[in-house]
Amino acid sequence: AQSVTQLDSQVPVFEEAPVELRCNYSSSVSVYLFWYVQYPNQGLQLLLKYLSGSTLVKGINGFEAEFNKSQTSFHLRKPSVHISDTAEYFCAVQNYGGATNKLIFGTGTLLAVQP
Amino acid sequence: DTGVSQNPRHKITKRGQNVTFRCDPISEHNRLYWYRQTLGQGPEFLTYFQNEAQLEKSRLLSDRFSAERPKGSFSTLEIQRTEQGDSAMYLCATNLRLGGGPLETGELFFGEGSRLTVL
Repeated sequence: AQSVTQLDSQVPVFEEAPVELRCNYSSSVSVYLFWYVQYPNQGLQLLLKYLSGSTLVKGINGFEAEFNKSQTSFHLRKPSVHISDTAEYFCAVQNYGGATNKLIFGTGTLLAVQP
Repeated sequence: DTGVSQNPRHKITKRGQNVTFRCDPISEHNRLYWYRQTLGQGPEFLTYFQNEAQLEKSRLLSDRFSAERPKGSFSTLEIQRTEQGDSAMYLCATNLRLGGGPLETGELFFGEGSRLTVL
């Protein structure tokens, strides 16, 4: 079985500052990794995904994440945040070659960007 | 709008009543998932359909919950004899199964959810 840990429930940061949202996963099989964003009163939207290849993945809105297999981590970063980045961010894993392609999500991190 | 559509967006009901949520997927997507999200938690997997077949159900899906996808298109999630603990956002997500095989994967496309409040 897979699981995802997002240790930070909330990350406050000032506008234009860099930010890192942490994600660690546990799995006995190879996984694919995803970051989703949820703005207030909206559905989840894919930010980026890691399937294979380069461990540094770039996504929308200037976000990037790095897959580290030895540390079982997939931390999300942005060099300079905007007020509009305020949202809930979810890390998720998917079983490589699994039958259902279901995603297992972490508990989320609220990114609160302050002016 | 060609995204995943969920109705109703909000439902307030009294304990003990039955409620039904509907999900209309992106038209060519043959895989459909239901998730539940409570405050401060990430989405939790409930059940999965490939076309009209329900292939996996979570232990979270008690016998008061039933999901259908009769013609492999839209899906319904019914909750009977609602309890206050059922209050949550119910999310539907879809994607497309291609040829299959170990390299297949794909993002899930989510609807905006149906929020249930049980009084």
